[in-house]
Amino acid sequence: NAGVTQTPKFQVLKTGQSMTLQCAQDMNHEYMSWYRQDPGMGLRLIHYSVGAGITDQGEVPNGYNVSRSTTEDFPLRLLSAAPSQTSVYFCASSLFIVGTGAINEQFFGPGTRLTVL
Amino acid sequence: DAKTTQPPSMDCAEGRAANLPCNHSTISGNEYVYWYRQIHSQGPQYIIHGLKNNETNEMASLIITEDRKSSTLILPHATLRDTAVYYCIVDAGNNRKLIWGLGTSLAVNP
Repeated sequence: NAGVTQTPKFQVLKTGQSMTLQCAQDMNHEYMSWYRQDPGMGLRLIHYSVGAGITDQGEVPNGYNVSRSTTEDFPLRLLSAAPSQTSVYFCASSLFIVGTGAINEQFFGPGTRLTVL
Repeated sequence: DAKTTQPPSMDCAEGRAANLPCNHSTISGNEYVYWYRQIHSQGPQYIIHGLKNNETNEMASLIITEDRKSSTLILPHATLRDTAVYYCIVDAGNNRKLIWGLGTSLAVNP
């Protein structure tokens, strides 16, 4: 298993540009999520998905869109990049705890380091 | 939404047990407590989770108080490779949104 993969590893954008961060997992996990991490801070949830075709907003969804057309892929789209979106972006996936619907162990990708000028 | 409070930093001698506390006084009855750690700028690594009972795995033990308002992560024999930021996390009420705080930066010293 490759686990959770993210591309690209690094990206520099100009203000106003759009781009898509890719995330894929090969573990047949139902739950997938996107986080951003600013320097010296914890992770903040952007969007999450509980299965193909189902997405929902996290703590900081503004300026980002997601879709989940397949179980494997969960791309994050920046609509019009702003300097405030300079951050490290992590994608994660997990199964649910049987009988509870709660999130089980999350597996994280290596991250995408995004700079918006 | 439940939130967590952790000390910003802790030190531990190599080979000794590291006990990392977490306060989650507003946790609801069906919300799990999760612990992750992050080494440098790598993706976070899962350690353990629990609901009411104490839990143990090959990495650590999780002790949850009876009232569930706090918990302690125990690394029984800390090594230099355990130096990392440790996050205690609870969900935001529907078991689908995990709220991460600032974590505890643990330094394991020789």
